[in-house]
Amino acid sequence: EAAVTQSPRSKVAVTGGKVTLSCHQTNNHDYMYWYRQDTGHGLRLIHYSYVADSTEKGDIPDGYKASRPSQENFSLILELASLSQTAVYFCASTSGVRDTQYFGPGTRLLVL
Amino acid sequence: GQQVKQSSPSLTVQEGGILILNCDYENDMFDYFAWYKKYPDNSPTLLISVRSNVDKREDGRFTVFLNKSGKHFSLHITASQPEDTAVYLCAAGENQGGSAKLIFGEGTKLTVSS
Repeated sequence: EAAVTQSPRSKVAVTGGKVTLSCHQTNNHDYMYWYRQDTGHGLRLIHYSYVADSTEKGDIPDGYKASRPSQENFSLILELASLSQTAVYFCASTSGVRDTQYFGPGTRLLVL
Repeated sequence: GQQVKQSSPSLTVQEGGILILNCDYENDMFDYFAWYKKYPDNSPTLLISVRSNVDKREDGRFTVFLNKSGKHFSLHITASQPEDTAVYLCAAGENQGGSAKLIFGEGTKLTVSS
């Protein structure tokens, strides 16, 4: 079964601090995505990647960086966390845009 | 602007009833359309999807209808059950060269009352 894991599952960060969210998939998928979920906004795409060592900007990339060091791993980095970045973050992987996206369990981030 | 839009933030239906969830999109290059289901404190899972070369796809109680000229697709659920209570997210996507993006709507919170 397709598997996507995220760490940490929850985090409390201070404003201005650095936060790194990690995602690992064992699906042998080329495509990986980072979304954030906010009430009333569904899922919004932050960054994505379709090959190791390359990332693409999604629809809301400002304030976020991404890193794809290997096919299995995809990280989301908040260099200077802000209150507005409090949200639930989901990672997903897929073999192609017309195929099922498999989501991780989510990371609940609270920035104080 | 919102490329994929769900018109109803919430819906309530009686158990056993039929319901329709709607989704509109702007980009006429989208060629893949999907509905994801999300329970509270869980991750989204694919419910049903369709490619642009068909107008309809059925899977048990769930049917997706695609109206390309109207840039609209919908999810029909028959014989609704309490376990259908969840947030339903529509999504649309296209392949652009080597990249692949899926754009999600805001979600519709469905409540099935028994």
